[in-house]
Amino acid sequence: GESVGLHLPTLSVQEGDNSIINCAYSNSASDYFIWYKQESGKGPQFIIDIRSNMDKRQGQRVTVLLNKTVKHLSLQIAATQPGDSAVYFCAEKQGNTPLVFGKGTRLSVIA
Amino acid sequence: NAGVMQNPRHLVRRRGQEARLRCSPMKGHSHVYWYRQLPEEGLKFMVYLQKENIIDESGMPKERFSAEFPKEGPSILRIQQVVRGDSAAYFCASSRSGLGLAQASDTQYFGPGTRLTVL
Repeated sequence: GESVGLHLPTLSVQEGDNSIINCAYSNSASDYFIWYKQESGKGPQFIIDIRSNMDKRQGQRVTVLLNKTVKHLSLQIAATQPGDSAVYFCAEKQGNTPLVFGKGTRLSVIA
Repeated sequence: NAGVMQNPRHLVRRRGQEARLRCSPMKGHSHVYWYRQLPEEGLKFMVYLQKENIIDESGMPKERFSAEFPKEGPSILRIQQVVRGDSAAYFCASSRSGLGLAQASDTQYFGPGTRLTVL
């Protein structure tokens, strides 16, 4: 289930289940969105991106959904594996303005 | 095919000293971005540079912080007279372009970061 920890919200899922990580973004004019995965002690790793003229994009085992009406972005991970355990950040961008990162969600996969 | 490289990976400084963080972008990338991350928080944009030019420094403190990306060599983030509050992880990212057209060439790829500890 989902819970709010001391700092980062944490999502715990059983290995093999699907994970859904949610993100509420702030700028209705943002036109580009990215999901990054950050493992402990490492830099953020690009997972998938989506432009504002799309509402869904699929990658390998991952799907990003964009709902501009409610300014909501989600990342779905199919058949979650222990290697998926990390902190996931959404980031938004409007034109040439800097990337703005969300607070992050810690995904914990239970074997 | 090396990714973004940063060094040092860990840096310890005493209050008042200078910190120099280096970033070599991915091959073919001429756009560099610096971010700062505190524990359990997201990344905060600091500065965006192209070769020899600062494009956007809206996230960088006005005092003690500076950044450069010379024609030859890595990008440098310099923090003078460090204070304890500067302790953080500093990440560099690079992209092939920075056109803001939401295209693949704008995607930023991150380095492993430099963890700065100020004693």
